[in-house]
Amino acid sequence: GENVEQHPSTLSVQEGDSAVIKCTYSDSASNYFPWYKQELGKRPQLIIDIRSNVGEKKDQRIAVTLNKTAKHFSLHITETQPEDSAVYFCAASIRGSARQLTFGSGTQLTVLP
Amino acid sequence: GAGVSQSPSNKVTEKGKDVELRCDPISGHTALYWYRQSLGQGLEFLIYFQGNSAPDKSGLPSDRFSAERTGGSVSTLTIQRTQQEDSAVYLCASSTSAGNNEQFFGPGTRLTVL
Repeated sequence: GENVEQHPSTLSVQEGDSAVIKCTYSDSASNYFPWYKQELGKRPQLIIDIRSNVGEKKDQRIAVTLNKTAKHFSLHITETQPEDSAVYFCAASIRGSARQLTFGSGTQLTVLP
Repeated sequence: GAGVSQSPSNKVTEKGKDVELRCDPISGHTALYWYRQSLGQGLEFLIYFQGNSAPDKSGLPSDRFSAERTGGSVSTLTIQRTQQEDSAVYLCASSTSAGNNEQFFGPGTRLTVL
């Protein structure tokens, strides 16, 4: 089955700096890659996703890049703010199949004021 | 409209007791998922329901765990003879279809087994 690895497990950045979280996956058939944000004590929420027919997708300060050849994808947050502090999870699945998402182990991002 | 709801929000039980956790998905969502999240850990997939198909139970950690989804809507996760290692937050999520659509999570049930 699919295996998703996520790095780093913790990340601290100064406010205003950029943060990058990386994930690799094992199943070359995976073609849907969402990112979820979980604030302390809250439920995970989708922040951005990418499908395998594109290499990069941006939404304001958040971007995701995908390298299908290398089977890795990354989340980039620019101009970080304290409210970006949370746990971020990457995930992978096969579009159009009945398979569920396989999640990475999460990255605790702390933005220092 | 209303999001995914779960009950109870907190459950404290004694080792060896059975517990039932409930999930009400978003109306019209055909896919429903259960995950377990231990303190400071990631999301561990437990079971997945899609429409009237047989559920994917591949993530259930032991035969003490089972789940039902009645009428394609409400789901109940049952843990029999609870153990201390079952203590975790149990999250339910629903989506409009399988795999590749946004999953909307409920607030979770925090289970503590004494």
